[in-house]
Amino acid sequence: AQSVTQPDIHITVSEGASLELRCNYSYGATPYLFWYVQSPGQGLQLLLKYFSGDTLVQGIKGFEAEFKRSQSSFNLRKPSVHWSDAAEYFCAVGARGNTPLVFGKGTRLSVIA
Amino acid sequence: SQTIHQWPATLVQPVGSPLSLECTVEGTSNPNLYWYRQAAGRGLQLLFYSVGIGQISSEVPQNLSASRPQDRQFILSSKKLLLSDSGFYLCAWRGPATGELFFGEGSRLTVL
Repeated sequence: AQSVTQPDIHITVSEGASLELRCNYSYGATPYLFWYVQSPGQGLQLLLKYFSGDTLVQGIKGFEAEFKRSQSSFNLRKPSVHWSDAAEYFCAVGARGNTPLVFGKGTRLSVIA
Repeated sequence: SQTIHQWPATLVQPVGSPLSLECTVEGTSNPNLYWYRQAAGRGLQLLFYSVGIGQISSEVPQNLSASRPQDRQFILSSKKLLLSDSGFYLCAWRGPATGELFFGEGSRLTVL
């Protein structure tokens, strides 16, 4: 069965520090992988996605993620965090077609001065 | 470009009352549509999805139902709300080429 694990429920980083949010997945075939961000009371916005090809993908707002098949991971990174990055981040896995995406439980990011 | 709308944005309902949340998509045809529920600390739970008019797949047995009366309209309903139905409900449609989900702004339901 498909599943996504985000091991960190809550992470606090200082503004300007680097960030890495972890995501591990379980999937029977080559997955489509996604990272979404959600500000309080809002819907989810797509940060980046991976289907095939280069395993390092660039997204919006300066985020990037690296697909590592051997580790079944798709970690999200940002070299320098801004206060506006405080939000909840969701990793998701799926396949092309009609099957729904499966989401992790999310990681809440707090940014301190 | 495609847009997705949900309403109402906020709803406070007594236990046992009915529910209707609506979602419409513009700028695309025959979209795959999804209802998710988000409860605190539990991530996103898929409730229903639809690949076409009148075609509904239910993921979680509960007192909620969904309907798709038109190609770009998806409705979430209940005849009698429970306290446990409180949460943040998100509608989404799926892009055909790359498979990502595009979400609406959500509907916050509080059942008292």
